[in-house]
Amino acid sequence: DQQVKQNSPSLSVQEGRISILNCDYTNSMFDYFLWYKKYPAEGPTFLISISSIKDKNEDGRFTVFLNKSAKHLSLHIVPSQPGDSAVYFCAASRNDMRFGAGTRLTVKP
Amino acid sequence: ETGVTQTPRHLVMGMTNKKSLKCEQHLGHNAMYWYKQSAKKPLELMFVYNFKEQTENNSVPSRFSPECPNSSHLFLHLHTLQPEDSALYLCASSQEGGLFRGADGYTFGSGTRLTVV
Repeated sequence: DQQVKQNSPSLSVQEGRISILNCDYTNSMFDYFLWYKKYPAEGPTFLISISSIKDKNEDGRFTVFLNKSAKHLSLHIVPSQPGDSAVYFCAASRNDMRFGAGTRLTVKP
Repeated sequence: ETGVTQTPRHLVMGMTNKKSLKCEQHLGHNAMYWYKQSAKKPLELMFVYNFKEQTENNSVPSRFSPECPNSSHLFLHLHTLQPEDSALYLCASSQEGGLFRGADGYTFGSGTRLTVV
């Protein structure tokens, strides 16, 4: 039962442009949504979160948007930098945390 | 040391071996978790410990046996594994478990890359 889905396994973006990573979920009871970033040989690191009562949260170059009616959230990175190249995991939580399969972002110089 | 530390980083074991994975957190968190990450799959929640008590066992086979002696340490004991159990095993911790208020997320260790031969 995959409650959190990331349908794009990979994304390639030019440096300076916007990266948009997408995530869909099925359980309307989730109360927080999070994005994690993972570099090779490291564990995921928390990036940004949003409460289910909000539709936008911004932190520097990173903005997360939540569309509850569509059960969809997205992460915008602008401007994208080569150091942003990593695997990004979407997660949703209520009593515990459920993750998507990840999207590998490559930012080209 | 700070954060969440997992040992060993890499482990190769035969199907008849017994081994243990160790996780230690120095953050003063009260909840700890084991996740399994297989290639191109979501992270799968395996076990949840909240204040040393197991609060969730996500239908994990009995060949995986968790142990949480205190809020800072978590073990995963492995016995008669199968090749399909080869994966990255990640430990995480959070301030609280149960009715999780996920604004700050979990802190993950770097994982143990397990290969079963």
